[in-house]
This record gives sequence, structure tokens and C-alpha cells, in this order.
Amino acid sequence: DSGVTQTPKHLITATGQRVTLRCSPRSGDLSVYWYQQSLDQGLQFLIQYYNGEERAKGNILERFSAQQFPDLHSELNLSSLELGDSALYFCASSPVTGTGGSYEQYFGPGTRLTVT
Amino acid sequence: AQTVTQSQPEMSVQEAETVTLSCTYDTSESDYYLFWYKQPPSRQMILVIRQEAYKQQNATENRFSVNFQKAAKSFSLKISDSQLGDAAMYFCAYRSGKTSGSRLTFGEGTQLTVNP
Repeated sequence: DSGVTQTPKHLITATGQRVTLRCSPRSGDLSVYWYQQSLDQGLQFLIQYYNGEERAKGNILERFSAQQFPDLHSELNLSSLELGDSALYFCASSPVTGTGGSYEQYFGPGTRLTVT
Repeated sequence: AQTVTQSQPEMSVQEAETVTLSCTYDTSESDYYLFWYKQPPSRQMILVIRQEAYKQQNATENRFSVNFQKAAKSFSLKISDSQLGDAAMYFCAYRSGKTSGSRLTFGEGTQLTVNP
């Protein structure tokens, strides 16, 4: 158990809908990262938040957005869903960022999203 | 942009034998970190081992060790005394040492089968 929790574990929804994925980082971790794992694109970085502020963006679609709340949990919002958005979405956390160091990222169990 | 390449989509090994998984990367940076993650059928991402680019000594964690060749930009993972529980997808990952570059860039993965 990495200490990172993600809810829900599975989500099935229809095209055009909107969903919210939730992540609680390890206790004390300030950085949260979101990754998408799909058959087509592999594991891709989406976005990072650090202590409530967006820190870095990767291959995140405009239909997707995220935020990190004062209690450090994060939510990834996916809207106007398409079939191609079906994937495993991981959240990871690490203690700090911006200070170098090899701080590992600890991954949650992921949320499997199926768009039908 | 940094890229990570795993040229072996699948590998197999006999239980108790040794197997080496290959990874190459491309970067113009001198300060970076490399990781191997394991993803078993549960889909959980588990950190196996990490290597700091500034360290010449190869990292070792129990039965797992790496062969880090910085000039060749090669980072292979050796698993000794393979066990059935080692069967998983293995991902090589790169992380910049820059303060703004803490995202992980993953390779395509190598599916390891351990035969009894």
C-alpha cells in the first residue's frame, strides 16, 4: 500500500458525460501528479499540482482539468467524454518539488474509466 | 524533450534464473534520475529501483540491480533469482533534475513472464 488513495476504482459512463476522479496523497506529500495509461498512448503525464498550485502540464486535453484543494487532495475533471478517454488514470504523490532531489513518486491504485 | 525506449515488448525467464530488461533514453541534461517501476496484474505501480545520474555506482535493491551506462544513455534492469511474483509489466522512467521537471517520462514497458 503506497498510502495514496484514489476513488472510485472503476467508473463506467457514456460519451459526452463528465466525471470527477479523486486522489488523496500520502500524508505530508505536497505534490500530486496525474497520469493516464491507455493502450494507444502508454503512460503519459497529464498535470502536476504543488501545494494547491498548478506546477506543470503535460499532454492534458482542454476537456480535462484538475485542482488541488487546501487539504491537498486533488480532483481530475474529465468532460465531454469520448471513447478514446477510456484508460487507467493514476494519481501519484511526492513530498516536495522544485528542490531537485530524487523524491520518488508513489502511485495510487488508479481509477479505471470506461466510456461507452 | 526526453524520450525513453524499451525495445523488448516481452521477455520470459525461468524461475530462479536471471533476466535483464533493457532501456535507453535520450536527453541533453546532465542532472536526472532514472527509475524502474513494476506493474503486476493488479495494475498498481510499484517502484523497484532508482538511479541518480550523478552517481557512478549502480543501484542495487536485493535481487534487483541496474547497469547504468551514462555515456551510452542506457539503463538496464537485472533481476536475479527470478520468482513467480516478479511476473509483471516493467516500466523504465526518466525524471529531470531541473526544479521544474519532476514529471516522469515512461518507456513503453516490457512484459515479463516467469516460467515455473
